[in-house]
Amino acid sequence: AQSVTQPDIHITVSEGASLELRCNYSYGATPYLFWYVQSPGQGLQLLLKYFSGDTLVQGIKGFEAEFKRSQSSFNLRKPSVHWSDAAEYFCAVGPQNKFYFGSGTKLNVKP
Amino acid sequence: GAGVSQTPSNKVTEKGKYVELRCDPISGHTALYWYRQSLGQGPEFLIYFQGTGAADDSGLPNDRFFAVRPEGSVSTLKIQRTERGDSAVYLCASSWSGSADTQYFGPGTRLTVL
Repeated sequence: AQSVTQPDIHITVSEGASLELRCNYSYGATPYLFWYVQSPGQGLQLLLKYFSGDTLVQGIKGFEAEFKRSQSSFNLRKPSVHWSDAAEYFCAVGPQNKFYFGSGTKLNVKP
Repeated sequence: GAGVSQTPSNKVTEKGKYVELRCDPISGHTALYWYRQSLGQGPEFLIYFQGTGAADDSGLPNDRFFAVRPEGSVSTLKIQRTERGDSAVYLCASSWSGSADTQYFGPGTRLTVL
């Protein structure tokens, strides 16, 4: 069965520090992988996606993620966090038209 | 350009009542999706439309939930005999043609069943 695990419910980092949000998935075939961000009162916004090819994917707002098939992981990274990055982040895996989302990681940014 | 819009933004109803939630997708998007997000959880897939037809409704929890998209654009999610457990944010998304295209999400409708 397909599933996504985001083991960190809350993370707090200082502004300017690096960030890594973990995502592990269970999926029977080559997955499509996504990271979305959700700010209060806002809809989910796509940060980046992986379908095939280069396993290091660049996204918007300076985010990147690396697909590691051997570890069934798709961790999200950012080298220097900004206060505006405080939000909830969701990893998702899908077949073509049915995404399975993790339960999210809430990111707090300390000044 | 306009994004996905959902109305109402908030809906409060009483247990046992019928509700309709509306989704207006991005113009030209043939694929439309409904998800449900309960407090503290990620979105949970409900149903996917390709054009006017429901291509996958395997996520609908029971027969109280039904969705339509009669003209291949606007969609309505209908919930009969609402229960307190139906309280959640209902999200709509659309994409150009499905097939793992980027899904663009609306702001959601927060449904509260008293």
